[in-house]
Amino acid sequence: NAGVTQTPKFQVLKTGQSMTLQCAQDMNHEYMSWYRQDPGMGLRLIHYSVGAGITDQGEVPNGYNVSRSTTEDFPLRLLSAAPSQTSVYFCASSRTSGALTDTQYFGPGTRLTVL
Amino acid sequence: AQSVTQLGSHVSVSEGALVLLRCNYSSSVPPYLFWYVQYPNQGLQLLLKYTTGATLVKGINGFEAEFKKSETSFHLTKPSAHMSDAAEYFCAVSVNTGNQFYFGTGTSLTVIP
Repeated sequence: NAGVTQTPKFQVLKTGQSMTLQCAQDMNHEYMSWYRQDPGMGLRLIHYSVGAGITDQGEVPNGYNVSRSTTEDFPLRLLSAAPSQTSVYFCASSRTSGALTDTQYFGPGTRLTVL
Repeated sequence: AQSVTQLGSHVSVSEGALVLLRCNYSSSVPPYLFWYVQYPNQGLQLLLKYTTGATLVKGINGFEAEFKKSETSFHLTKPSAHMSDAAEYFCAVSVNTGNQFYFGTGTSLTVIP
């Protein structure tokens, strides 16, 4: 199993540009999520999904969109990039979407810089 | 709502010394508690977790944590630090009435030879 994969590893955008961060998992996990990691702020939840076709907002959803058309994929779209979105983005998945006792498996991250 | 507080953003210990990383949580319902470790330029990986049952939880690489409900704490310990333990450590909480995990701000552990 490849686990959770993310592409690209690095990206530089100009203000106003849009892009999609890709996330895929091959473990047939129901629950997938996106976090951003900023110095001194830990990980903050952007969006999450409890299954194909179902998504919901986390703590910091503004400026981001998600969709979950398949169990495997959970892309994160930046609609109009802003310097405040410069961060490291992590995708994570876990087996079930019920009681949150399952281990989350994290991807290697995407380091995004917005100029 | 749930929240996690990690006291000390940076902790330094000598090799062979006790490691103690502090985590306190806030939750109005019974929590599930986790410790994750992040090595440089990598994603997070699970060290250990408490869901139900025994309050002393053992994890990988010799780490353990004790759930203390009365103190709302879940501190991470390791009797003897190794150079390879240098990393960032995150405490996280979830509850069975929600669909979110809440992470602390992290503690960076430095091990001095």
